[in-house]
Order: sequence, then structure tokens, then C-alpha cells
Amino acid sequence: DSGVTQTPKHLITATGQRVTLRCSPRSGDLSVYWYQQSLDQGLQFLIQYYNGEERAKGNILERFSAQQFPDLHSELNLSSLELGDSALYFCASAYDGITYEQYFGPGTRLTVT
Amino acid sequence: ELKVEQNPLFLSMQEGKNYTIYCNYSTTSDRLYWYRQDPGKSLESLFVLLSNGAVKQEGRLMASLDTKARLSTLHITAAVHDLSATYFCAVDPSNRDDKIIFGKGTRLHILP
Repeated sequence: DSGVTQTPKHLITATGQRVTLRCSPRSGDLSVYWYQQSLDQGLQFLIQYYNGEERAKGNILERFSAQQFPDLHSELNLSSLELGDSALYFCASAYDGITYEQYFGPGTRLTVT
Repeated sequence: ELKVEQNPLFLSMQEGKNYTIYCNYSTTSDRLYWYRQDPGKSLESLFVLLSNGAVKQEGRLMASLDTKARLSTLHITAAVHDLSATYFCAVDPSNRDDKIIFGKGTRLHILP
């Protein structure tokens, strides 16, 4: 158990819908990273937040957005969903500046039908 | 744009043998990560390599980083079946205009 929690574990929804994925980092970790894993694209970095502020942006689509709240949990919002958005979404947390080691949550499996 | 090439993509080997997975990347990097992923599971951090010449070892796995050659290796010594998994490298570039890029992964199958 990495100490990172993600909810929900599974999500099935229809095209055009909007969903929110939630991530709670390990206690004390200030950074949250979001990743997408699909058979087509492999593992892709989406976005990083550090202590509430966006720090780095990866391959995040404009239909997707994220934020990190004052209690350091993070949410990834996916809207106007398409079939190709079906994937595993992982978040990871880290105490950047010391080891940079990232601890991954169990993931949310999103299926868009 | 940062490119990361990992090879081999698939490796089947006998228990007790040694082998190396390679991770080449195309631009300067601040950090290089190695991860393990078991089927249907999340990623587990194995190593974070921060500087040229860095070498880290954990059990039968050893990772090294040569920033001049833009190459990292993950060496497996005397492989055991429990090491069967997919291994990914990921590069965090120095250029802030680039982004973290993962290799395609090496699927390692160790035969008992």
C-alpha cells in the first residue's frame, strides 16, 4: 500500500459525459502527478501540482482539467468524454525536493461507452 | 522534443541469468525513474537517478545513469521468477518546455 488513495476504482460512463477522479496523496507529500495509461498511447504524464499550484503540464487535453485543493487532495476532471479516453488514470504523490520518488495510487479505470 | 527509447520491449529469460534493460533519451534530464508494473496493478517506484554516474541497487536490480551518453540501464542479476513484470523508465527533462516521458516498457518474463 503506497498510501495514495484514488476514487473511484472503476467508472463506466457514456460519450459526452463528464467525470471527476479524486486523489489523496500520502501524508506530507506536496506534489501530485496525474498519468494516463492506455494500450494505444502507453503511459503519459498529464499534469503536476505542487502545494496547490500547477507546476508542469504534459499531454493533457483541453477537455481535461485538474486542481489541487488546500488539503492537498487533487481532482482530475474529464469532460466531453470520447471512446479514446478509456484508460487507467493514475495519480502519484511525492515530496519533491528531497528524493523525488513518486508513490502511485491504485488507479481509476475509466471506460467510456 | 524529448524522446525516450527503451529496449528490449520484451525479454524472456531463464532463472539465474543476468540481463540489462536500456533506456536512451534524447535531451538533458534532471531525473530518471525506473518503475515496475505487475499485470493489472499500479506502478511501483524502483529507483530515482538524479546525477551523472548515479548507481542504485536493490536486491537483484541495479540501475545506473550516464547523462553524457543519455543512457540509463537496469541490470538484473541472477533473475528469479518473482521479477517477472513490466519495467518502465521515465525521463524528467531539464528543459521546462518538455515534459515527463515514459519508455514503452520492457515486459520481462522469467522462466523457472
